[in-house]
Amino acid sequence: KAGVTQTPRYLIKTRGQQVTLSCSPISGHRSVSWYQQTPGQGLQFLFEYFSETQRNKGNFPGRFSGRQFSNSRSEMNVSTLELGDSALYLCASSLEGTGANTEAFFGQGTRLTVV
Amino acid sequence: DQQVKQNSPSLSVQEGRISILNCDYTNSMFDYFLWYKKYPAEGPTFLISISSIKDKNEDGRFTVFLNKSAKHLSLHIVPSQPGDSAVYFCAASANAGGTSYGKLTFGQGTILTVHP
Repeated sequence: KAGVTQTPRYLIKTRGQQVTLSCSPISGHRSVSWYQQTPGQGLQFLFEYFSETQRNKGNFPGRFSGRQFSNSRSEMNVSTLELGDSALYLCASSLEGTGANTEAFFGQGTRLTVV
Repeated sequence: DQQVKQNSPSLSVQEGRISILNCDYTNSMFDYFLWYKKYPAEGPTFLISISSIKDKNEDGRFTVFLNKSAKHLSLHIVPSQPGDSAVYFCAASANAGGTSYGKLTFGQGTILTVHP
């Protein structure tokens, strides 16, 4: 069974640009969550999608957005990049994102560097 | 406000001995707890979880203990192996009320080093 796949693995962007990251969840998993990991803040929840709907959102500015497709694949977009957006972005999939089905399985992450 | 805390940034253990990683939480709404292991530049790997209706869960060398009254959980690894050397994160979710979909709140992590 394939795990969570994130593309690309590494990305370098310039301030002010926008970026789109992709995540393919484990087959059968309908909940996809996104996290940002930085040395100072640790792992911070961005948002969660289930059946193409955003059900939950963390405390990030509106520059951070996402979507989910009918096959459960998800993308996240960051517009008007800032230096502080440099981080490891992680996608996690779970069966339903709630209760005992909260067990989330993470992808390898996308390392975004903003210069 | 850090709702999940791992107060020990690092832990060093001899191979074959027990490793005990600790985690405290403040949010009484948390009802599901998980431990993850992480290597640099990789995503966290799920290890073991426990529901708040239990006080212990075992899976091979890994056992998680939950003390709800103290809002404390711990991960025991017995016996520890050099391959266990990694960063360990505890995480929590609040599922009752159905408002925390997909959200895990993580601690800051503990670096475990197991010496041969």
